[in-house]
Amino acid sequence: DTGVSQDPRHKITKRGQNVTFRCDPISEHNRLYWYRQTLGQGPEFLTYFQNEAQLEKSRLLSDRFSAERPKGSFSTLEIQRTEQGDSAMYLCASSFTSGRANEQFFGPGTRLTVL
Amino acid sequence: DAKTTQPPSMDCAEGRAANLPCNHSTISGNEYVYWYRQIHSQGPQYIIHGLKNNETNEMASLIITEDRKSSTLILPHATLRDTAVYYCIVRVEDSSYKLIFGSGTRLLVRP
Repeated sequence: DTGVSQDPRHKITKRGQNVTFRCDPISEHNRLYWYRQTLGQGPEFLTYFQNEAQLEKSRLLSDRFSAERPKGSFSTLEIQRTEQGDSAMYLCASSFTSGRANEQFFGPGTRLTVL
Repeated sequence: DAKTTQPPSMDCAEGRAANLPCNHSTISGNEYVYWYRQIHSQGPQYIIHGLKNNETNEMASLIITEDRKSSTLILPHATLRDTAVYYCIVRVEDSSYKLIFGSGTRLLVRP
């Protein structure tokens, strides 16, 4: 399968614990995006990378959140000291800088539940 | 904030055309209209996009009004697998190309 993959698909954690999610984009894509989606709402932009550079962070991304893309390939999103409000689906997407409509290809998401 | 307005839900019969409306009255001249859909428990999937002209691909047609203040996504022969939430998005015209989603339209295709 050559689509965007995310791991794990589901994560249950206790409040205060740290969690890390991984995203593997489509291999030739140089852009990678993270979004968060709560129940009944559309996805919300969190941050994006072009190659290894993190170029924009949403104000939704508090200092407990950190994202990396060390070699311009896979990316990780870490949440420290999780809170119940962090419970959501975390979606990753990748794209070319240019090309067909800058179409973003989404992964299946990681569903986080904070107890 | 999302720059589009969509009805929260719609339904149509299997085999019939599904016409999903979207208002984007504040759209700027160089902003594109995108449509994505999200089937339950999956990530969003690109459907189609347009600037001024009507567009058609293997999945759908996009009709944009002449003043560009609204558009309609048409699924010509809806199937049960088209049941999903459909998002109309006006793409932010900055270098990020990030997508600003609204709440979308939940389309139910009835057998």
